[in-house]
Amino acid sequence: NAGVMQNPRHLVRRRGQEARLRCSPMKGHSHVYWYRQLPEEGLKFMVYLQKENIIDESGMPKERFSAEFPKEGPSILRIQQVVRGDSAAYFCASAEGQNTEAFFGQGTRLTVV
Amino acid sequence: AQSVTQLGSHVSVSEGALVLLRCNYSSSVPPYLFWYVQYPNQGLQLLLKYTTGATLVKGINGFEAEFKKSETSFHLTKPSAHMSDAAEYFCAVSETNNDMRFGAGTRLTVKP
Repeated sequence: NAGVMQNPRHLVRRRGQEARLRCSPMKGHSHVYWYRQLPEEGLKFMVYLQKENIIDESGMPKERFSAEFPKEGPSILRIQQVVRGDSAAYFCASAEGQNTEAFFGQGTRLTVV
Repeated sequence: AQSVTQLGSHVSVSEGALVLLRCNYSSSVPPYLFWYVQYPNQGLQLLLKYTTGATLVKGINGFEAEFKKSETSFHLTKPSAHMSDAAEYFCAVSETNNDMRFGAGTRLTVKP
């Protein structure tokens, strides 16, 4: 059983481009969480999704950011019109259900130039 | 809503000395509490967690943490620091077992 897979591991985008970050949860896991880690800061919760549903998006910026977790395929965190301030490490975690342990991926490091 | 405060963004200890990383939490329900470690350019690795039961929790690499409800604390300790312990440590709280909210992190430096 592979762990949580995030790709790409490193992503470079120019200002104004779109960034798509993928998270494939562990097999059997239907809960996905996205976190952002800015340089010298901790992990900030962004969004919590279950298959085809957004459960809690209280940590998502109101503009340019969106997330989905379709019935089939990975969860996608999408950042439109990226700016330099979006440069960060983005981590996802997955869990089988509520009250089960979450496991983290290795993260995607986004650099906006 | 739950939240975590980690006191001290940087902690420096000598090799062999006691490690103490502080974490205080806020939660409206009995919390689940976690400590994670992050090595440079790596993901997060679970050190230990408290769910229910015994308040002293032992984790990997010789770390342990004690849940003190009266103090709303979950401090992380290790009796003797090793050079390989140098990393960033994150405390997290959750009202379930997985919807976690993290503290800002504490960077541990170990001096020879």
